[in-house]
Amino acid sequence: DSGVTQTPKHLITATGQRVTLRCSPRSGDLSVYWYQQSLDQGLQFLIQYYNGEERAKGNILERFSAQQFPDLHSELNLSSLELGDSALYFCASSPQTGYEQYFGPGTRLTVT
Amino acid sequence: AQSVTQPDIHITVSEGASLELRCNYSYGATPYLFWYVQSPGQGLQLLLKYFSGDTLVQGIKGFEAEFKRSQSSFNLRKPSVHWSDAAEYFCAVVAGDTGFQKLVFGTGTRLLVSP
Repeated sequence: DSGVTQTPKHLITATGQRVTLRCSPRSGDLSVYWYQQSLDQGLQFLIQYYNGEERAKGNILERFSAQQFPDLHSELNLSSLELGDSALYFCASSPQTGYEQYFGPGTRLTVT
Repeated sequence: AQSVTQPDIHITVSEGASLELRCNYSYGATPYLFWYVQSPGQGLQLLLKYFSGDTLVQGIKGFEAEFKRSQSSFNLRKPSVHWSDAAEYFCAVVAGDTGFQKLVFGTGTRLLVSP
């Protein structure tokens, strides 16, 4: 158990819908990262937040957005969902004094 | 741009045999390198990390990795594989400026363990 929690574990929804994925980092970690894992793209960095502020963006679509709240939990919002958005979405957090990232169990999103 | 290459998509090893998974990185400065393992349907678990210092690093579950700057490699090894080691293994490098460190992953190597 990494200490990073993600909910829900599975999500099945239809095209065009909007979903919210939630992540709680390890106690004491200020940075939260979101990654997408798909068969064709592999593991891709989406976005990073540090202590409530967006720090960097990766390959994140405009239909996707995220935020980090004062209690440091983060949410990833995916809207106007397409079949190709079906993937595993991971959240990770990192300590202030290290570079390693600890991953949550992931949310498996299926868009039908 | 920083990148990681894992040249082997699949590897099959007999239980009890030794294992080496290859990883090559592309990075200008001293890289921060990691190996993660992902069991089916699970998240990624950190096996070990290299930041600096001793080039042979020990990790969890009996794994070790050796950083070789001259070969731009960070290969993962285990002297005796157990059936429970069957999983997908990812090599990763930290990329980005201070305060922004995303992980760039290789494509992964799936390890199969035969009896």
